[in-house]
Amino acid sequence: AQSVTQPDIHITVSEGASLELRCNYSYGATPYLFWYVQSPGQGLQLLLKYFSGDTLVQGIKGFEAEFKRSQSSFNLRKPSVHWSDAAEYFCAVGPNQAGTALIFGKGTTLSVSS
Amino acid sequence: GAVVSQHPSRVICKSGTSVKIECRSLDFQATTMFWYRQFPKQSLMLMATSNEGSKATYEQGVEKDKFLINHASLTLSTLTVTSAHPEDSSFYICSASSGGVNYEQYFGPGTRLTVT
Repeated sequence: AQSVTQPDIHITVSEGASLELRCNYSYGATPYLFWYVQSPGQGLQLLLKYFSGDTLVQGIKGFEAEFKRSQSSFNLRKPSVHWSDAAEYFCAVGPNQAGTALIFGKGTTLSVSS
Repeated sequence: GAVVSQHPSRVICKSGTSVKIECRSLDFQATTMFWYRQFPKQSLMLMATSNEGSKATYEQGVEKDKFLINHASLTLSTLTVTSAHPEDSSFYICSASSGGVNYEQYFGPGTRLTVT
């Protein structure tokens, strides 16, 4: 079955510290992988995506993610967290096929302490 | 980048009434639109997939007679919640895809529905 697992429900990081949010997926074919961020009461903003090529992907707001096929993982990282990064983060997977919906993980809530 | 709008952003309606939510792709043609529902502190759950000019495909457990979806043009899809009940209160998010080789979905800002 196709699924996305985000093992950490809630993470608290000190401002200025590094961050890694975990994402594992189960998918039969070559997946397209995404990370989205959602602030309270808001829609989703795309942070970055992986389709093919370089397995280290750079996104907006200083985020990056690394696709590791052998581990079926697509972890999100940021070297120095800012208080404004506090939000809900969703990992998603989709097929390399147009017209097919994404499958989302349950999300990780990031809190940033001062 | 591609922009998707939703209207209204927030709506309160009385139990038993119907409410329509619009999803528009502002600067591209969306061959496919998706409707998701998000409960508080939960992930997005796909409700239905709609392709322009054809009937929507609903996910298992989603009542198609209650959640009417119309995708009349390449830039507009509507979700109508009929005979709304308090349990229909939720955050509804649409996304739109233009298709292509490296397709991507663009998400709307969401609509907060509260049924009293």
